[in-house]
Amino acid sequence: EAQVTQNPRYLITVTGKKLTVTCSQNMNHEYMSWYRQDPGLGLRQIYYSMNVEVTDKGDVPEGYKVSRKEKRNFPLILESPSPNQTSLYFCASSPQGENTEAFFGQGTRLTVV
Amino acid sequence: GQSLEQPSEVTAVEGAIVQINCTYQTSGFYGLSWYQQHDGGAPTFLSYNALDGLEETGRFSSFLSRSDSYGYLLLQELQMKDSASYFCALPSGGYNKLIFGAGTRLAVHP
Repeated sequence: EAQVTQNPRYLITVTGKKLTVTCSQNMNHEYMSWYRQDPGLGLRQIYYSMNVEVTDKGDVPEGYKVSRKEKRNFPLILESPSPNQTSLYFCASSPQGENTEAFFGQGTRLTVV
Repeated sequence: GQSLEQPSEVTAVEGAIVQINCTYQTSGFYGLSWYQQHDGGAPTFLSYNALDGLEETGRFSSFLSRSDSYGYLLLQELQMKDSASYFCALPSGGYNKLIFGAGTRLAVHP
């Protein structure tokens, strides 16, 4: 089954404790991205990657890091989480091309206390 | 920069037709997409318009007017399961970098 898998689904952590949210896709898509979703703000792009070892900042990259060492994986790293990073996070993948159909993971609800 | 505006909420009754509008600003246009998201779920792709006109997919249709920087999603024969949030989205700086609107919450009542 074609899918994007995120882990964990839920996470409560304390300020400053480094964490990683994993994302994996099995569709051989070139393009992957991370979004955060906050009430009233829609989905805002954090980082994106157009292929292995190619990443770039989205609209809200501060406080986040990513890596793309393999085509299928695109982890999101919070080196020193803060309460303002409490949010719902989505990973997405899509093939290169004109149709911008993005396939989303099920989301990770992160709470930083 | 790029931005999209859509109404925050729409209410309709089962069996009716509802239209969700989206106006956008962008320096380079690559197309307008629509996504559906149920509470607690992930966004799922509904449609994509690159050219002016109406695209129909079952009960859902999407319309685009590039000269007006405007599009809409039309949902017909509304069902309770259509209660969800709907987002319009623009590729920004290329086909794959998506900018989303804030979303329209659709409530379908019996």
